[in-house]
Parts: sequence; structure tokens; C-alpha cells
Amino acid sequence: NAGVMQNPRHLVRRRGQEARLRCSPMKGHSHVYWYRQLPEEGLKFMVYLQKENIIDESGMPKERFSAEFPKEGPSILRIQQVVRGDSAAYFCASSFNLETEAFFGQGTRLTVV
Amino acid sequence: TQLLEQSPQFLSIQEGENLTVYCNSSSVFSSLQWYRQEPGEGPVLLVTVVTGGEVKKLKRLTFQFGDARKDSSLHITAAQPGDTGLYLCAGADNTGKLIFGQGTTLQVKP
Repeated sequence: NAGVMQNPRHLVRRRGQEARLRCSPMKGHSHVYWYRQLPEEGLKFMVYLQKENIIDESGMPKERFSAEFPKEGPSILRIQQVVRGDSAAYFCASSFNLETEAFFGQGTRLTVV
Repeated sequence: TQLLEQSPQFLSIQEGENLTVYCNSSSVFSSLQWYRQEPGEGPVLLVTVVTGGEVKKLKRLTFQFGDARKDSSLHITAAQPGDTGLYLCAGADNTGKLIFGQGTTLQVKP
């Protein structure tokens, strides 16, 4: 899973600030998925993107959260006006197509103080 | 809503013992994957099972997919301290989205 690169690994934000989490998928992968892991909980799906398109955002909170996967560059998960409850580990996964396995990055651990 | 129930949530055993982790759902998945996650790291894929009734072996780990593709099990033979970690099962739907179980935290004591 070293091929999926996420940065930063750790991010500390004060309440009300914005958090930007970046994910570069494995080479050749055009499917990107974002998951959130709250303390003591399992991973929950947030959003599924292909290049320049959001395919499924059914797991995204309705407000403050957005995601993009531009034609060039990494996928970005953006959280505006962060609150303490946003503190979690955010993982990105990528796959080549729908029939192949997804590989995970090492995650970004967001702490809101 | 698709759900995966994973059990047990916690397991503490002695080195050399065998164990089985279960993953059950009322939904059918196109495939089921097992991951292992170390503290501070992302999940690492162990195996993918696709066909109902399929059995796959990875050294001392045996993975089975139920005939109806709704459940799976992970059996570890002669557990080692190095097997300690969080084991996650995840079912994939037809968009590749993964539904995760709650995870099983395994501790193998020397």
C-alpha cells in the first residue's frame, strides 16, 4: 500500500480552521475512495471519485466537507470550519478499476484543538 | 443499508493457539476482502475472496467465503505474537465501495 501517498500524515487544526487532506493514488489508478476512522470505530465510507467526477458521496456529511479529484494532481478532501468531532484518521484508497482491489494509504490523522 | 457484523471484537490468546474470526451480513457482496491494520498505519490487504465457497490460504491464515457470498471467516493456526493487530473484513459493492466490519483486535501473548 506504499504506492498510495497521503499527506500530511498528521494535521492539527484549531476549531473553525480549514483542513486540506491530499491523496495521490497508485500509478495508473483512476478510482479514489475516502474513508474516515473515528477512535474505537471501524472505517466508514465517505466518497468515491474518478478523475474530475464525484461518483458517490453518500457518506459525506452534508455540510463543511467536500472532495475533488482534478484531471491533474492529487485528490483533495477539504473540511471547512473544523470542529472537535472531525478529529479522526482519514484514509484514501485507490484502485485500477471496479474489478480490482483497493489499496490504502497510511492515512492523515486530523486533530482539532 | 449493507452491514457487516464482525466477531469477536477482541481476542486475547496464547501463542500456539488457533482462532477464528467471523464476518456476517444479510447482504450479498461482489467480493469480500480481509485487511490487517497496525496502529498508526493504513489497512493492508491480506486477501480477496470472490466466489461463493472459495477457500484461500496464506501461510497459517485460511480465509473462507460463504456459499451465498454473505459471510466469511478467517482462521489462524498456531498464532504467533507477530499476528497481533486489528483484522478488518470489508465487503465490496458493485461500485468498489467497501463496507467495513467493526474489526477484531487480536492480541497473541508469548
